Amino acid sequence: AQSVSQHNHHVILSEAASLELGCNYSYGGTVNLFWYVQYPGQHLQLLLKYFSGDPLVKGIKGFEAEFIKSKFSFNLRKPSVQWSDTAEYFCAVNGNYQLIWGAGTKLIIKP
Amino acid sequence: DVKVTQSSRYLVKRTGEKVFLECVQDMDHENMFWYRQDPGLGLRLIYFSYDVKMKEKGDIPEGYSVSREKKERFSLILESASTNQTSMYLCASRPTSGGASEQYFGPGTRLTVT
Repeated sequence: AQSVSQHNHHVILSEAASLELGCNYSYGGTVNLFWYVQYPGQHLQLLLKYFSGDPLVKGIKGFEAEFIKSKFSFNLRKPSVQWSDTAEYFCAVNGNYQLIWGAGTKLIIKP
Repeated sequence: DVKVTQSSRYLVKRTGEKVFLECVQDMDHENMFWYRQDPGLGLRLIYFSYDVKMKEKGDIPEGYSVSREKKERFSLILESASTNQTSMYLCASRPTSGGASEQYFGPGTRLTVT
């Protein structure tokens, strides 16, 4: 069955710490992968996506993600987080018509 | 910029009421989606539509129906609201069914059923 697993439901970091949020997927077809972010009180927006080519993808606000096919993973990283990165982060993989979503990771950055 | 709008940000309804949630997108997108978002469960797909008058059930369609009479508008209907339908409802649209195209989301409707 198609699925997406996000390892951590809650992450708390201090400002300037490095971030890595895990995402593993299970999907048998051609893979397109997405990270979305939802800032408090705002709508979901795309952070970055992978559909082909360079497995290291750069997104907005200094985020990047690496697609590792052998590990079925698409982990999100940021070298130095800011208080404004406090948000919920969702990983998703394409299905036939729809996206298959992970449960989300709530990230809290302590100032 | 793509804009997806939802008719209400907050809604309070009574058990048994019929509830209509409206979603409009302004970019001529083919695909539209309705999700519910609950803490710890991520986004769960209720229904989607890949064209006008076409609809497909998602993962949790029970208790819901949808209508897409015009390309830009996708309505979610709760036939008889129940307290377990208290949730955040998100509408999204996408240009085509292609795997690489992203979904664009509306601001959400927080529905409380009492």
